[in-house]
Amino acid sequence: AQKITQTQPGMFVQEKEAVTLDCTYDTSDQSYGLFWYKQPSSGEMIFLIYQGSYDEQNATEGRYSLNFQKARKSANLVISASQLGDSAMYFCAMRSGGTSYGKLTFGQGTILTVHP
Amino acid sequence: DSGVTQTPKHLITATGQRVTLRCSPRSGDLSVYWYQQSLDQGLQFLIQYYNGEERAKGNILERFSAQQFPDLHSELNLSSLELGDSALYFCASSVVGGAPPDTQYFGPGTRLTVL
Repeated sequence: AQKITQTQPGMFVQEKEAVTLDCTYDTSDQSYGLFWYKQPSSGEMIFLIYQGSYDEQNATEGRYSLNFQKARKSANLVISASQLGDSAMYFCAMRSGGTSYGKLTFGQGTILTVHP
Repeated sequence: DSGVTQTPKHLITATGQRVTLRCSPRSGDLSVYWYQQSLDQGLQFLIQYYNGEERAKGNILERFSAQQFPDLHSELNLSSLELGDSALYFCASSVVGGAPPDTQYFGPGTRLTVL
């Protein structure tokens, strides 16, 4: 079974600083995808960034980058130059392979608060 | 705006009742997924449809059912509602392949309150 662990219930960062949100995963699949989503207080789920298990380069998307360490089974999200609008809940998720291809398994989330 | 629409946005009903949640996927997306988000369970996968066919099932209760219609919109039916069914229900859609591959885009959710 797939499992995603986010060990930081809450994180605080000063505006314009960088912050790292931790995510570790467990799977027996060789092929899988890792995703980060942002959920602001308004409730919608916003896709941020994707990393495939066979991707050799760490994914980057604007101010978001993914520190992917396959041997450690970790996929940490790095947000550079934090903005007040980055305050939200962040979820790490994994897409399974096999018969449940496409299903996302989510972590418990990390609440990020950006201070001015 | 993800392009996925869900109606209604809010739903308040009583225990024992039945409700239907509706989802329209992004144009061109054949896969539709339903998720439940609650404080105690977090985000849980319920069910997936692909081009009208059920593709995968998660921890979906027998009181819940879903379907995907020929125009690709989907409905999630919740019956004999209990207080514990109060949650935010998300629909997501994806296209096979794509870039990034099989990325799910979420609708705004339907917040269900069972009184």
